[in-house]
Amino acid sequence: QVQLVQSGAEVKKPGASVKVSCEASGYTFSNHGVTWVRQAPGQGLEWMGWISVSEGDRRYAQKFQGRVTMTTGSSTTTVYLELRSLRFDDTAVYYCARGLSKGWADPSDALDIWGQGTMVTVSS
Amino acid sequence: QSALTQPASVSGSPGQPITISCTGSSSDVGHYNLVSWYQHHPGKVPKLIIYDVSHRPSGVSNRFSGSKSGNTASLTISGLQADDEADYYCTSYAGYNTVMVFGTGTKVTVL
Repeated sequence: QVQLVQSGAEVKKPGASVKVSCEASGYTFSNHGVTWVRQAPGQGLEWMGWISVSEGDRRYAQKFQGRVTMTTGSSTTTVYLELRSLRFDDTAVYYCARGLSKGWADPSDALDIWGQGTMVTVSS
Repeated sequence: QSALTQPASVSGSPGQPITISCTGSSSDVGHYNLVSWYQHHPGKVPKLIIYDVSHRPSGVSNRFSGSKSGNTASLTISGLQADDEADYYCTSYAGYNTVMVFGTGTKVTVL
């Protein structure tokens, strides 16, 4: 079935980096973009960025510019989110989600399939 | 780019309709017909219930409907059910630089 499976929970110190993976299965990987969304404890959903897995195009929220990188695996159906210079307020559940493609991947696509979420805790 | 504005909470009795508003600007909601709505039960994964303002994905109940007027989008849940108790978020495309913005979220309570 169509699914996105994310890597497990992480605990990091302030200033460190974290890399979260999101493995897709059950659909044609190249036909859809992938978006990353996070939710801090007690807060709402926050859009972080998008990657076109076929074209390699990326868009990042201005808030994360310079600290975030989204990539795809060279020979896998996996997308990665790397967040650097972690701060306490980066503690959140990080979700990857597939774009509901209209024939081509676009950052404006609605998100129809979501990964299970990865808890990232930043603690000293 | 600020988040889209939603009421913090909306409540209703079973069987009643409720409407959640999502107010943006002429740069996002008012400019693009690219508003989506998500239902999020705490501890679970968000679920897409409306896309492109008023389209329902396959399998989503027709009790959920979406609309837009000017800079405000709306989600209506008709015939409120206990399982509708959740957080609801809108999103809108906001152009090349900002790309996407989420709403502040609305907690729906079934009385």
